Amino acid sequence: EDQVTQSPEALRLQEGESSSLNCSYTVSGLRGLFWYRQDPGKGPEFLFTLYSAGEEKEKERLKATLTKKESFLHITAPKPEDSATYLCAVHLSNDYKLSFGAGTTVTVRA
Amino acid sequence: DAEITQSPRHKITETGRQVTLACHQTWNHNNMFWYRQDLGHGLRLIHYSYGVQDTNKGEVSDGYSVSRSNTEDLPLTLESAASSQTSVYFCASGANTGELFFGEGSRLTVL
Repeated sequence: EDQVTQSPEALRLQEGESSSLNCSYTVSGLRGLFWYRQDPGKGPEFLFTLYSAGEEKEKERLKATLTKKESFLHITAPKPEDSATYLCAVHLSNDYKLSFGAGTTVTVRA
Repeated sequence: DAEITQSPRHKITETGRQVTLACHQTWNHNNMFWYRQDLGHGLRLIHYSYGVQDTNKGEVSDGYSVSRSNTEDLPLTLESAASSQTSVYFCASGANTGELFFGEGSRLTVL
């Protein structure tokens, strides 16, 4: 059965304290791995798509990487405005729908 | 600007009532999806559509139905609302690249 697991469930950081979020997946035929950001009371907002192992994408303080079994979202020198829930999702080669992990809620304290 | 809108944003209903949540997108995407989000479960797929007159069941489709009569709209109907269907519902649309654009969500409470 295809599965997407995110860890940790919650992460509390001090402003400037870099850290990483993990998304591991057990799927066959991965077409793409997606990262989304979700703020409270809002819908998820697209961040990155990764297609193949070794690929990296960056946006401001965020960098996403992909291996054959997992993806990492690195947050470098976070600021309070980086506080959100980060969701990863997989897109399988035989379909157009996304399967989501449960998310990691990041809180950055000033 | 293209967008995806959901209505109502908040609804309280009673057990056994029929409820319809609306979703309208102006991206001209063929693919539309309904997810529910609950604590500890993340986003779970209810129903989806890859074009007009096409509908498919997701992993948690029991008690829900959808219809697709045009490209822009995918209404979600709860035939007989149950307390277990209290949740936040998100509609999304996308092209075949997999990237989805989400609405702001509809919070449904079933008493």
